[in-house]
Amino acid sequence: DQQVKQNSPSLSVQEGRISILNCDYTNSMFDYFLWYKKYPAEGPTFLISISSIKDKNEDGRFTVFLNKSAKHLSLHIVPSQPGDSAVYFCAATPSGGNEKLTFGTGTRLTIIP
Amino acid sequence: DTEVTQTPKHLVMGMTNKKSLKCEQHMGHRAMYWYKQKAKKPPELMFVYSYEKLSINESVPSRFSPECPNSSLLNLHLHALQPEDSALYLCASSSWTGANTGELFFGEGSRLTVL
Repeated sequence: DQQVKQNSPSLSVQEGRISILNCDYTNSMFDYFLWYKKYPAEGPTFLISISSIKDKNEDGRFTVFLNKSAKHLSLHIVPSQPGDSAVYFCAATPSGGNEKLTFGTGTRLTIIP
Repeated sequence: DTEVTQTPKHLVMGMTNKKSLKCEQHMGHRAMYWYKQKAKKPPELMFVYSYEKLSINESVPSRFSPECPNSSLLNLHLHALQPEDSALYLCASSSWTGANTGELFFGEGSRLTVL
């Protein structure tokens, strides 16, 4: 049972345009959400997070939006750059600690120069 | 130093072998994790140590045996593995203090192949 789903296994975006990566979750106990980025042969690296008390968090080119009623979050990257090409994982955890982080299946983002 | 170092990067072992994966961090983090990732699948949590004590075991078979000798080191001892255990094993650490700090720092992983 996949509690965190990323329904697009891959996405291609032109350099300079906006990349939108989507994530859906089913467990209503989740209230803290994170995005990780993974290059080949490297471990995932933390990108940005959002608590359920917010609906938006912004860090430079990266913005995460959370719609709790729809159990949906999205990551916006603007403008997209070639170095953004990687696999992006959405992750979620219930309140009380980030021990039990549940990852989504990942979306491979390719930025076309 | 914001690195989590894992050794070896690659390991090939037979089903009767005993081997160990090692993980080290010097960020003063008190929580360390083992994740397993199969191809085209998300990382799956195996074990969590907080303050050098095993706090979570996600029903992992006993052929995987974790060990946390001190706050900087985390080992995963492997014995009598099966070919389906072949995967990327990721170590991570965090400064978890019981509240959502969010960020796990991952190592590059140890790619294990069981013949």
